Amino acid sequence: EPEVTQTPSHQVTQMGQEVILRCVPISNHLYFYWYRQILGQKVEFLVSFYNNEISEKSEIFDDQFSVERPDGSNFTLKIRSTKLEDSAMYFCASSVDRSNYGYTFGSGTRLTVV
Amino acid sequence: GQNIDQPTEMTATEGAIVQINCTYQTSGFNGLFWYQQHAGEAPTFLSYNVLDGLEEKGRFSSFLSRSKGYSYLLLKELQMKDSASYLCAVRDEGDDKIIFGKGTRLHILP
Repeated sequence: EPEVTQTPSHQVTQMGQEVILRCVPISNHLYFYWYRQILGQKVEFLVSFYNNEISEKSEIFDDQFSVERPDGSNFTLKIRSTKLEDSAMYFCASSVDRSNYGYTFGSGTRLTVV
Repeated sequence: GQNIDQPTEMTATEGAIVQINCTYQTSGFNGLFWYQQHAGEAPTFLSYNVLDGLEEKGRFSSFLSRSKGYSYLLLKELQMKDSASYLCAVRDEGDDKIIFGKGTRLHILP
């Protein structure tokens, strides 16, 4: 069964450092998403990406965040200057279209900012 | 925006049936999803409802009433592996994204 692949599985970084979280969506999917989940809290929407541009973003997705699809297979989330409160599990997801199949989520990257 | 409510925790017995309720308020509506999330893992898709009524898929069924802003997930013949959080999520009309509720943590007792 096709999978969404995320790397690394766990990243520890110092406050103020830049991090890049990587995702390889399912190959025939067209819609891509980043969500985050702070420990013990709900899954929160960050950004959706379609046709090589951001289609929606949440209030969390401020100027410190950016996304890119550099080569047609990878989908990255960059946090420019990490803060302690950015510590969370970051999930990438993709979907073939806006249909009833929901998203397929990757296994996540646990980001710890120290 | 959306507002999604579901119970924080529920407990049920192996072999039994449990119903997890979800109420929602949206400015538009284009579908309700249920996801399962085991601790430390990613959410996995269980079901989708956009029309009123019951959708059955094996041991799991999901019901929707759009007029009441209400859905439930019904789990039958509970197994220990069903111990997980169950996330209700909705999509607004015109949106790509889905918004998740806080989830219901289901504990299964032997």
